[in-house]
Amino acid sequence: ELKVEQNPLFLSMQEGKNYTIYCNYSTTSDRLYWYRQDPGKSLESLFVLLSNGAVKQEGRLMASLDTKARLSTLHITAAVHDLSATYFCAAPATFGNEKLTFGTGTRLTIIP
Amino acid sequence: DSGVTQTPKHLITATGQRVTLRCSPRSGDLSVYWYQQSLDQGLQFLIQYYNGEERAKGNILERFSAQQFPDLHSELNLSSLELGDSALYFCASSVDPGGATDFGSGTRLTVV
Repeated sequence: ELKVEQNPLFLSMQEGKNYTIYCNYSTTSDRLYWYRQDPGKSLESLFVLLSNGAVKQEGRLMASLDTKARLSTLHITAAVHDLSATYFCAAPATFGNEKLTFGTGTRLTIIP
Repeated sequence: DSGVTQTPKHLITATGQRVTLRCSPRSGDLSVYWYQQSLDQGLQFLIQYYNGEERAKGNILERFSAQQFPDLHSELNLSSLELGDSALYFCASSVDPGGATDFGSGTRLTVV
């Protein structure tokens, strides 16, 4: 059974700083997703990482995937308050099926 | 806007009752997924339908059932409701294989 672990669970950081959220998954997966969720809202798709070594960037967020290490990272550069949210990583349970197993989420708070 | 439509946005009902949640997938998507998000269990996969047929089942209670209709919309039926069923229920859809899985805005169910 696929398990997805994120750390840290909570992250409080100052504006302008850099930080990384880590996502480990237990079994081989061919892709990895990152989502953002604001309180009480839906999940917003941020990145879909489809292959080993994939790196995607959008604004101050950059995600990467290492399928050999079963590790994905979400790097935040020069954080701003608008990035405060909960970030989830997720992986499909089986190849070719998009049934997702989610990590516990990282609640990110950016302090002015 | 992800293109995945869920109704209603909010439901308040009493224990023992039955409710139906509705989802229309993004145009062109054949797969529909249902997820439950609660404080204690996190985001959990419930069930998947693909082009009208059940494709995968997760931690879905026997009191819950779902179906996907010929026009591809899906309904999640929750019966004999208990206080612990209070949660956010999300529908998601995807293009198989690959591509982002997009989530609807969710239905917040409160059982009193």
